[in-house]
Amino acid sequence: DQQVKQNSPSLSVQEGRISILNCDYTNSMFDYFLWYKKYPAEGPTFLISISSIKDKNEDGRFTVFLNKSAKHLSLHIVPSQPGDSAVYFCAASATSSGYSTLTFGKGTMLLVSP
Amino acid sequence: DVKVTQSSRYLVKRTGEKVFLECVQDMDHENMFWYRQDPGLGLRLIYFSYDVKMKEKGDIPEGYSVSREKKERFSLILESASTNQTSMYLCASSEFSGQTDTQYFGPGTRLTVL
Repeated sequence: DQQVKQNSPSLSVQEGRISILNCDYTNSMFDYFLWYKKYPAEGPTFLISISSIKDKNEDGRFTVFLNKSAKHLSLHIVPSQPGDSAVYFCAASATSSGYSTLTFGKGTMLLVSP
Repeated sequence: DVKVTQSSRYLVKRTGEKVFLECVQDMDHENMFWYRQDPGLGLRLIYFSYDVKMKEKGDIPEGYSVSREKKERFSLILESASTNQTSMYLCASSEFSGQTDTQYFGPGTRLTVL
């Protein structure tokens, strides 16, 4: 049973426009959420995170929104650049569990065209 | 910056061989993880360790074992490699702060089992 779902396997956006990547979760114990970016043949790179006590976190062109009641989070990239083309993974953690493990979604491949 | 290194970027082994994948982190992190990434399946946790000589099974431990003799080093062992273990293997480390579980990844090892 998938606890973290990224329902869009891929997304295509034009350079300069907004990219919105979505993620849903089912486990109400999750209280910390992260986004990772992964290029082919490289390890994932941490991008941005949000704690469940917040509903928004911003870092430059990247903003993550959390809607706890809907168990939904989204990553906004504005403006999108060709270098943003990568696979984006959503991950979640239950920090009260005692172990710091992450549960990952299956990823969304973002393609930003010039 | 956190640095996680993996012993090989690419590895080709034959069915039945014993395979060692090494991971080293330089940030004195308590927690270390091994994942495999397969197309369409995202990142799946194989094993993790929250202290020296401690290990915990992840979601897909079958066919794997691990060793953590020193804090900075976490090894993944395939006792008898099989073709279905052909995959990208990713090591990660984190320092559990009680609030955030950000994991930092190595570059990955692409293992092919013939």
